[in-house]
Amino acid sequence: GQQLNQSPQSMFIQEGEDVSMNCTSSSIFNTWLWYKQDPGEGPVLLIALYKAGELTSNGRLTAQFGITRKDSFLNISASIPSDVGIYFCAGLTGANSKLTFGKGITLSVRP
Amino acid sequence: DGGITQSPKYLFRKEGQNVTLSCEQNLNHDAMYWYRQDPGQGLRLIYYSQIVNDFQKGDIAEGYSVSREKKESFPLTVTSAQKNPTAFYLCASSAKQGRFQPQHFGDGTRLSIL
Repeated sequence: GQQLNQSPQSMFIQEGEDVSMNCTSSSIFNTWLWYKQDPGEGPVLLIALYKAGELTSNGRLTAQFGITRKDSFLNISASIPSDVGIYFCAGLTGANSKLTFGKGITLSVRP
Repeated sequence: DGGITQSPKYLFRKEGQNVTLSCEQNLNHDAMYWYRQDPGQGLRLIYYSQIVNDFQKGDIAEGYSVSREKKESFPLTVTSAQKNPTAFYLCASSAKQGRFQPQHFGDGTRLSIL
C-alpha cells in the first residue's frame, strides 16, 4: 500500500532556531496536508497544499508541495516552546478521500 | 462552537466486553472517519463513511463495527474480537465539496483494558 516516510522520528532544536521536515513517498499524491498533534489531543491542520510546486505560509510555518508530487516539506522559523508536538504529513490521492499518514516527527524545543 | 466531539475521553474495557466510542460533529460534514493511533505507528484508518447509511472498511477494520444513521454521528464499537484494543482512537470529518477538503479531528478517546 501507499506509505509516507517521515524521518527522523524525533528532532531536538534550540528555541529560536529554524527547523525543516520532509515527507516522501514512492506514490503520487494530489493533496498534501500537514498536521500538528499535542499530547492527548487530536491533530490540528496546519497547512493544506493542492497543487504541485505550491508554496504556502501560515505565520511562522511554510510548506511546499513537491514538483514531482511525491514529496512535501514543512519549515518552522524562529521556533518557540509551544511548537513542541508531533508533526504529521498526510496525502490524498484522486481515487477517494482516504488520507495516508506518515508516522510523525516528535519535535522538542529547548528553551 | 462548531467542532467534533468525542466521548468519553478515557474508557476502560474488561476482557470480552464490547464498548462503543461516540463521535458527534456539528460542522455539517458529509464524510466521517475513525482512526487508531499507537505509539510510533502514526494514524491507521479503521472505517469511514462518505454519506449517511453507508460506510466502508479501512485498513484495520477487523474487530470493529460502525453505524451511520445520522449525518452528525458516527459511533465506533470495539468488539471482543479485537484482541489488542488498547490505543488512542480519533474521529475525523470532512466536507464533500469541490476539491478535496482536509479532515478535521476530535480530541480522541483513550481506550485501555482492565
